[in-house]
Amino acid sequence: GQSLEQPSEVTAVEGAIVQINCTYQTSGFYGLSWYQQHDGGAPTFLSYNGLDGLEETGRFSSFLSRSDSYGYLLLQELQMKDSASYFCAVRGATNKLIFGTGTLLAVQP
Amino acid sequence: EAGVTQFPSHSVIEKGQTVTLRCDPISGHDNLYWYRRVMGKEIKFLLHFVKESKQDESGMPNNRFLAERTGGTYSTLKVQPAELEDSGVYFCASSRGGDTQYFGPGTRLTVL
Repeated sequence: GQSLEQPSEVTAVEGAIVQINCTYQTSGFYGLSWYQQHDGGAPTFLSYNGLDGLEETGRFSSFLSRSDSYGYLLLQELQMKDSASYFCAVRGATNKLIFGTGTLLAVQP
Repeated sequence: EAGVTQFPSHSVIEKGQTVTLRCDPISGHDNLYWYRRVMGKEIKFLLHFVKESKQDESGMPNNRFLAERTGGTYSTLKVQPAELEDSGVYFCASSRGGDTQYFGPGTRLTVL
């Protein structure tokens, strides 16, 4: 089968750094994406890793280790508006995305 | 550049009725995808169009679901007849190639 595991909830305070982990087991792998979703709205693309290593985009960074079937999303200088659900998603052979169960991030003042 | 749009935003129907969801992808995006999220579970892939051809429909649950993309522009997803377990949020996404998929706001379907 195919599965992606993420923590269900994470809580952090404003200004802090938080890391959301994702481990995957899929039959095909063409990259790991991260999406943010506010209140059940449109998932918004954050970051993509096709190769091992770290990708940095502003306050957000994402890391991938294909040998460990593992990745993470790092959010720095947390803001209240970062409170949302975060999904990792594996891109399969036909470009379909296989999503994790999502991590609900609560940022507290 | 306009994003992916979906219509309607909400639909409430009774079991056995028919509902048609519409998705307009970002202009110029040949790839169009349908996903759905049921009862707080993970977002699951339904199918993928490249222009007007179905590239992958492995995620379609059963033959009550019919997706079309005539002319390679907008797409429709029809559920006929709808069952209770079809309730959820149906998302559409589009991409230019095999790269980043941009999602629409979704259609929240409730089957009573």
